[in-house]
Amino acid sequence: GESVGLHLPTLSVQEGDNSIINCAYSNSASDYFIWYKQESGKGPQFIIDIRSNMDKRQGQRVTVLLNKTVKHLSLQIAATQPGDSAVYFCAENAGNNRKLIWGLGTSLAVNP
Amino acid sequence: EPEVTQTPSHQVTQMGQEVILRCVPISNHLYFYWYRQILGQKVEFLVSFYNNEISEKSEIFDDQFSVERPDGSNFTLKIRSTKLEDSAMYFCASRNALATNEKLFFGSGTQLSVL
Repeated sequence: GESVGLHLPTLSVQEGDNSIINCAYSNSASDYFIWYKQESGKGPQFIIDIRSNMDKRQGQRVTVLLNKTVKHLSLQIAATQPGDSAVYFCAENAGNNRKLIWGLGTSLAVNP
Repeated sequence: EPEVTQTPSHQVTQMGQEVILRCVPISNHLYFYWYRQILGQKVEFLVSFYNNEISEKSEIFDDQFSVERPDGSNFTLKIRSTKLEDSAMYFCASRNALATNEKLFFGSGTQLSVL
């Protein structure tokens, strides 16, 4: 069935290093993808999004890459900081009502 | 920055009781959603709401669930007779009506504990 999943449930990086969080999706009809960050006890917070007519989009310290051929999405965080520690979710949007289908999440831990 | 607000932040209830979770979406948004997240699991879609009616609902959203926009600013989720498995974090979200703006804004959630 339709699903969005993450390859790694946890990721530990050193402060200052770059982080790469991966995501696979299976619905080829999805045309919009979004990354959310969720800190403990808080709601998901928007990081960056990308439409299927693009393969790369950059924000402040973050880059999202989309490979539609293999249905793969990644989030790159440059110079990871302790404040980046959180669970990161990818989600895809499809259908008329634009509901989000979520992956399981990757927990990012930044070591000082 | 405008935000979605949810109340209460925590709700403890007895099994079989009714609960109402409240949300105030961002004022110029027209699409509203409820999602839930059981501890340690992924976020699950419950229902979407537009133009004063449900536009889509998931299998989770059975006849024990209902949503309402009673006064033009609040958006509520009611669970008529709570079950133990309803224990979860419930998130309200909203988005702008612009077709090009699909970003959902989420509230901080209501942690529902059914005993």
